[in-house]
Order: sequence, then C-alpha cells, then structure tokens
Amino acid sequence: DGGITQSPKYLFRKEGQNVTLSCEQNLNHDAMYWYRQDPGQGLRLIYYSQIVNDFQKGDIAEGYSVSREKKESFPLTVTSAQKNPTAFYLCASSLRRGSYNEQFFGPGTRLTVL
Amino acid sequence: AQKVTQAQTEISVVEKEDVTLDCVYETRDTTYYLFWYKQPPSGELVFLIRRNSFDEQNEISGRYSWNFQKSTSSFNFTITASQVVDSAVYFCALSEGDNAGGTSYGKLTFGQGTILTVHP
Repeated sequence: DGGITQSPKYLFRKEGQNVTLSCEQNLNHDAMYWYRQDPGQGLRLIYYSQIVNDFQKGDIAEGYSVSREKKESFPLTVTSAQKNPTAFYLCASSLRRGSYNEQFFGPGTRLTVL
Repeated sequence: AQKVTQAQTEISVVEKEDVTLDCVYETRDTTYYLFWYKQPPSGELVFLIRRNSFDEQNEISGRYSWNFQKSTSSFNFTITASQVVDSAVYFCALSEGDNAGGTSYGKLTFGQGTILTVHP
C-alpha cells in the first residue's frame, strides 16, 4: 500500500541527547514536510523539502536538522539545542511543490524527553 | 502574514445532531487555498477537502458540507446527523498561492483545531 510511515511511534529521550525520527514515503512525492504539534495548538512547520538534496527552514527550525538524500526519505533530528522537544511530530508529503497540492500525513511520532 | 482562527476549542454533541465547525482566515493574497483535515485519536491527519479562492461554490460530500464565503473570510464545515465515528480534532488550514516566481513551497498555516466529541 502506498503511504507514509514514521518510526518509532513513541520515543523517549534523555535531556542532552540527539534523536532522529524517521519518515519514509512510497507515493513518489517530490515534497516532504515536518510539523510539530503541541496540545491545544495547530501544527507548526519545522522544515520542508521540495526536491532531493534541498530543504528549507520552516517557522520553528531552531534545534532541529534534516536531510533529503533520497526522494522517499526525510529524517528529522531533534538536537539537544531544542529547549522543549516533547511533542507530537508529523511528517507529510505532497505530489509536488505548490500551494494547490494537498499534503498527506504519516501516523506521527510522540517524543517525550525525560 | 496569513492566519487561521478556529474559535471553537471544543464542541460536544449527541449523535444525530448537526454540528458546524467555524474557520476564519486572514491573507493578503488573492489566490489561496483552504483545507480541512480530520485528526482521529490515532493521530494521523486525514485530508477532507481543498477549496481555491476563486471557487465559492459550497460543496457537499455525504454528511459533510462546506460553506466558503470570501466576504466574511470564512470556510465553515458542517457535519449533518453526526456519528460517534466523527469524534476527532478538525483542523482548518490555509495555503497562499504560488508567487510569480514559482517558489511557493505550499506552506500550510493551521488553525488551533476544534475537538469534536459525539456522544452516543
């Protein structure tokens, strides 16, 4: 089945540790996105990528890093510089860049910092 | 800057009631797109509808209907004869149109979401 997979579903991290969240899609989509969701808030854009080997900062990129070495993969690293990393992280993709295209979302990763 | 406001934080209804979720947006663009997404307890957002700024026709899909009014910058969502399975968080989102240089990245600005609970 075509879709977006994120792993792990739950992730626990100690303060000061970096952690990487996986996002894979087999939809042959060009664009991929990472969002953060906090309780009672909408989704906020962390990073996005329109094409392989290219990515741009979103609204809340500080403390995060990404790579886009393959079309189907867009991993997100939460670094120790992120002051409040506990949140629900959602990865999304769309067919190509552009505002017309709806985004399809993965099941999310819930990160908790202990 | 674009902004989406969903004033209703939580709505609780009894099954078979009709319910309307409000969405008000702000944008300076003349070309933009509006979306509704559903987030069930599993967490994954599900795309429901897209509407572009030049199409003000209301749309109906089964028990769902959407009312887009540019004059009031609103894009409201109505569920008719609600069911327990409709319980979820619903998000309204806005994407401004591609600029002349074609460099728009399809950024979605989300509202805060409305938690809908349908009781049996």
